[in-house]
Amino acid sequence: DVKVTQSSRYLVKRTGEKVFLECVQDMDHENMFWYRQDPGLGLRLIYFSYDVKMKEKGDIPEGYSVSREKKERFSLILESASTNQTSMYLCASSPESGGGTDTQYFGPGTRLTVL
Amino acid sequence: AQSVTQPDIHITVSEGASLELRCNYSYGATPYLFWYVQSPGQGLQLLLKYFSGDTLVQGIKGFEAEFKRSQSSFNLRKPSVHWSDAAEYFCAVGAFSGGYNKLIFGAGTRLAVHP
Repeated sequence: DVKVTQSSRYLVKRTGEKVFLECVQDMDHENMFWYRQDPGLGLRLIYFSYDVKMKEKGDIPEGYSVSREKKERFSLILESASTNQTSMYLCASSPESGGGTDTQYFGPGTRLTVL
Repeated sequence: AQSVTQPDIHITVSEGASLELRCNYSYGATPYLFWYVQSPGQGLQLLLKYFSGDTLVQGIKGFEAEFKRSQSSFNLRKPSVHWSDAAEYFCAVGAFSGGYNKLIFGAGTRLAVHP
C-alpha cells in the first residue's frame, strides 16, 4: 500500500510566521503535489514536482514555495503566513508513468489556521 | 477550458437506498476519470478510475461508475448505501491544462446517510 504522511494534522500559526508543511511518501514515486482544499472550491493545485530538486507552479502558487531535496520528501513553505491561507492542505504522490494524469495517492491532510 | 462539474453540493439518502452522484466534465480528448472519497478529517481515497476500455468501472466499497462520452458524464452509483458511506465525494479528470498534466477536481458532493 502506498503511504503518504504529512507532518501535522492540525497547525495554528500567527500572521507573518514562516510555516513549513512536510510530506513524505514511501513508494518511490517520482511525482509529488501540494493542494489546498476549501469548501465549495474542491482541490486546487499549488505546486508540483516531477523529480528531485524540480518544481513547477500549479494554479495558485502565490504566497507559497516548495522544496524537494530528496525523492520521498516534498515540503510546502508559506514564507509569511496570512489569514487567507487558512485551509486544508493535501499532499499527493503518483508514479512516473502518467505524470499528473495518473492516479494520485493522498496524505491525511494538514488543517492550517492562521490567526 | 477543462472543467469538472458536480451539480449536487449536498445529497441525503436513507440507509439501504440506491445512490447516484453526478459528474460532468469538459475536455476535448479522451479523458482519464476518477472518483475519490474523503471521510471526515481524512485525505482522499481512490474509489475507482477510468482510463479506457469497458465504460462501466467497478471500484472499492461496492461503488461503480459509468463513462458516457455522448453526455460527457461519469456518474458514480451504489445500489445500497451504508451509514459508513457518509463522506464527501470528488470527481476528477486527468488532463493537459495550463501547460502541464494534472488532475482537475470538481467542487465535491457531500453525502449524508439517514438511518
